[in-house]
Amino acid sequence: DGGITQSPKYLFRKEGQNVTLSCEQNLNHDAMYWYRQDPGQGLRLIYYSQIVNDFQKGDIAEGYSVSREKKESFPLTVTSAQKNPTAFYLCASSIAISYNSPLHFGNGTRLTVT
Amino acid sequence: KQEVTQIPAALSVPEGENLVLNCSFTDSAIYNLQWFRQDPGKGLTSLLLIQSSQREQTSGRLNASLDKSSGRSTLYIAASQPGDSATYLCAVVQGAQKLVFGQGTRLTINP
Repeated sequence: DGGITQSPKYLFRKEGQNVTLSCEQNLNHDAMYWYRQDPGQGLRLIYYSQIVNDFQKGDIAEGYSVSREKKESFPLTVTSAQKNPTAFYLCASSIAISYNSPLHFGNGTRLTVT
Repeated sequence: KQEVTQIPAALSVPEGENLVLNCSFTDSAIYNLQWFRQDPGKGLTSLLLIQSSQREQTSGRLNASLDKSSGRSTLYIAASQPGDSATYLCAVVQGAQKLVFGQGTRLTINP
């Protein structure tokens, strides 16, 4: 079955450490996205990528970095510069960057930084 | 700046009832509106997408309506079941990658 795989499901890190969240899709989608979800808030866009080797900042990119070396993969690194990294992170993909392309989501990674 | 609000934040109803979830937005310049379902600790599943030119969209027991002029959308769930228990989020689409999400309504269907 096609879908989006995020790993790990739970991640614990000490403050000051960088951490990388994995996102892999086998839907053959060109566009991929990273969102952050905090309790009581809607999803907020961190980064998105239209195509391999291209990515753009979203609304809350500070303290995060991404790469898109392969169509299937869009890893997110949470750096020590991110002031409040504890959150639920969701990866998504769509056929293309288009307002009519429905998003498909992974099951998320819950990151806890202490 | 677009703001999307979902009220109430939580709703609990007995099984079998028909119910309506509300979504309001401040800027009517949208391309479409999407409704998602999120189970605890999981990602989002797309339920319905309504184009800005449409008034409603149906899928099974779900019916979503859109009134752009008043900045409102509703999600109607008929004959609710315990399996419908989840958080429901709406999102307005203002650009190709510009989705603005509401905070969600946590729905509990009691057997």
